[in-house]
Amino acid sequence: SQTIHQWPATLVQPVGSPLSLECTVEGTSNPNLYWYRQAAGRGLQLLFYSVGIGQISSEVPQNLSASRPQDRQFILSSKKLLLSDSGFYLCAAALASYNEQFFGPGTRLTVL
Amino acid sequence: GQQLNQSPQSMFIQEGEDVSMNCTSSSIFNTWLWYKQDPGEGPVLLIALYKAGELTSNGRLTAQFGITRKDSFLNISASIPSDVGIYFCAGQSGGSNYKLTFGKGTLLTVNP
Repeated sequence: SQTIHQWPATLVQPVGSPLSLECTVEGTSNPNLYWYRQAAGRGLQLLFYSVGIGQISSEVPQNLSASRPQDRQFILSSKKLLLSDSGFYLCAAALASYNEQFFGPGTRLTVL
Repeated sequence: GQQLNQSPQSMFIQEGEDVSMNCTSSSIFNTWLWYKQDPGEGPVLLIALYKAGELTSNGRLTAQFGITRKDSFLNISASIPSDVGIYFCAGQSGGSNYKLTFGKGTLLTVNP
């Protein structure tokens, strides 16, 4: 079974500072990877997804970017954080031939 | 884009009661998934449904894939305090690189 790691678990950053959140997956190869943001209103917003190394699809225009430098590594970044970037960020993985997505523990980001 | 209408938005029940929640869509889905999210954690997959009419159980949880392929429900029998959390439905319509459409969640509170 696959395990998804995310770090850091919590992060407090000032406005205008850079961001790097990391997600790594164990127990599977060539997964589809996803970044979601969950605001206080509970809904899950898909930010990016990747079907392979170096392949990134962006779902919404925003202040963030994603990269996939290795098969089981997915990184979420920003050059300058905004207050509106605060939220709970979730990484998810799915086997390429299945629809079931499995989520990591999440990173709580607070931008002050 | 596709939308899922999940209801109710929240429920307050007494321990031992049964719970029912559902999701509907104007679009046809090939897969229905139900997740539970505890506070501060990532969603955990409870049940996956792949065939219209399919009825699947996982302990006290039972979920069904609607015949029209546009709806699904989740029942929880004999609720206990640890059932507290947010329950999400998610659907996948095929040919979309396995992106999921999520409902907005049902917040369940169980009074002991």
